[in-house]
Amino acid sequence: QKEVEQDPGPLSVPEGAIVSLNCTYSNSAFQYFMWYRQYSRKGPELLMYTYSSGNKEDGRFTAQVDKSSKYISLFIRDSQPSDSATYLCAMSFSWRGNKLVFGAGTILRVKS
Amino acid sequence: GAGVSQSPSNKVTEKGKDVELRCDPISGHTALYWYRQRLGQGLEFLIYFQGNSAPDKSGLPSDRFSAERTGESVSTLTIQRTQQEDSAVYLCASSLYRDRARYGYTFGSGTRLTVV
Repeated sequence: QKEVEQDPGPLSVPEGAIVSLNCTYSNSAFQYFMWYRQYSRKGPELLMYTYSSGNKEDGRFTAQVDKSSKYISLFIRDSQPSDSATYLCAMSFSWRGNKLVFGAGTILRVKS
Repeated sequence: GAGVSQSPSNKVTEKGKDVELRCDPISGHTALYWYRQRLGQGLEFLIYFQGNSAPDKSGLPSDRFSAERTGESVSTLTIQRTQQEDSAVYLCASSLYRDRARYGYTFGSGTRLTVV
């Protein structure tokens, strides 16, 4: 069993839709949770960061962490074609974030 | 340059050959990482450098893999006697911050390695 499970998609939605991306994990010692966005042929870039359980909102993006269920989500409101990318969840035991454990990534396509 | 630079961007090599991948981090970034991204899989941690400290090599998959870093600048990842399972995108990242979970890394665009 992988430490972090993420549905690879692809997920195809119309412009303006609400998108829900999810990861599950097996190790309860993870404390720090991140979402990275990766455009084709580019390196990932940090999108959202959350410590422990709870919600965090940044513009059209909301990250949720439920440690009791070992489940994290990223919601994108009013999705745009420019949101089309691969979204990778990542987790760390430490705030230093030296050895991130990544999900496989979900490919998102937003159609105009 | 403004970002993390990796070279070459693409490399095709024959099975059994050695390859060397290069990473130029952002100037002043003391932490440098190598990750591997296989098709359909998440990024796998390979190795981590922090200043003049001994590198954390715990993610290197076999003794065919090695990496060096000169001070706080260029790093090279060497794969000896390449195998087909080494085919992947090799990503380098650097960071200025101590709190790297919160502030993240800056990744390069990667080297796409194909072993034939």
